[in-house]
Amino acid sequence: AQTIHQWPVAEIKAVGSPLSLGCTIKGKSSPNLYWYWQATGGTLQQLFYSITVGQVESVVQLNLSASRPKDDQFILSTEKLLLSHSGFYLCAWSLNSGNTLYFGEGSRLIVV
Amino acid sequence: GEQVEQLPSSLIVQEGASVLINCSYTDSASVYFPWYKQEPGKRLQFIIDIRSNMERKQTQRLTLLFDKKTKHLSLHITATQPGDSAIYFCSASTTSNTNKVVFGTGTRLQVLP
Repeated sequence: AQTIHQWPVAEIKAVGSPLSLGCTIKGKSSPNLYWYWQATGGTLQQLFYSITVGQVESVVQLNLSASRPKDDQFILSTEKLLLSHSGFYLCAWSLNSGNTLYFGEGSRLIVV
Repeated sequence: GEQVEQLPSSLIVQEGASVLINCSYTDSASVYFPWYKQEPGKRLQFIIDIRSNMERKQTQRLTLLFDKKTKHLSLHITATQPGDSAIYFCSASTTSNTNKVVFGTGTRLQVLP
């Protein structure tokens, strides 16, 4: 069975500090991977997607970057956090485009 | 780009009632419409989907209707239970290589015992 795990579960970070959020998928080779951002109680905004190792496409620019260093790993990062980065970050995978997304538990970020 | 609107934004019903959640999209290239449920403290969970070559799909207490002409979907939940309390999201995606999946604004459902 496939599993998806995100880390850390939650973080409180200072404005201007760096950030790295991670996501690991086990049990599925070459999945499509996605990063979403959700404001508290709000809709999900797609940030990035990746269909293969080393290839990441940006959907919306929020002073964030993403990388896929391994087939089963997706990393979201920034060198300088903004207050507006606060929210809930969700990683997801799918078999390919036009298919169901399977989500991780999410990482809650509070920027102070 | 694709825009997905969802109504109502919130619903409060008594246990046993039926609810209807509506969703509309703009991009005629969208062909796949999964719905997800987000319970407090739990991960987003797939609940039902429909493709653009279908008009209706039903599973247990969920019925999903799709109208390609009007670009409209509606999710009907019958015999609601307190465990149905969650935020429900519709979404739309194409099968192109853009891999863009656009979510609706969400409907917060509260089922009172």
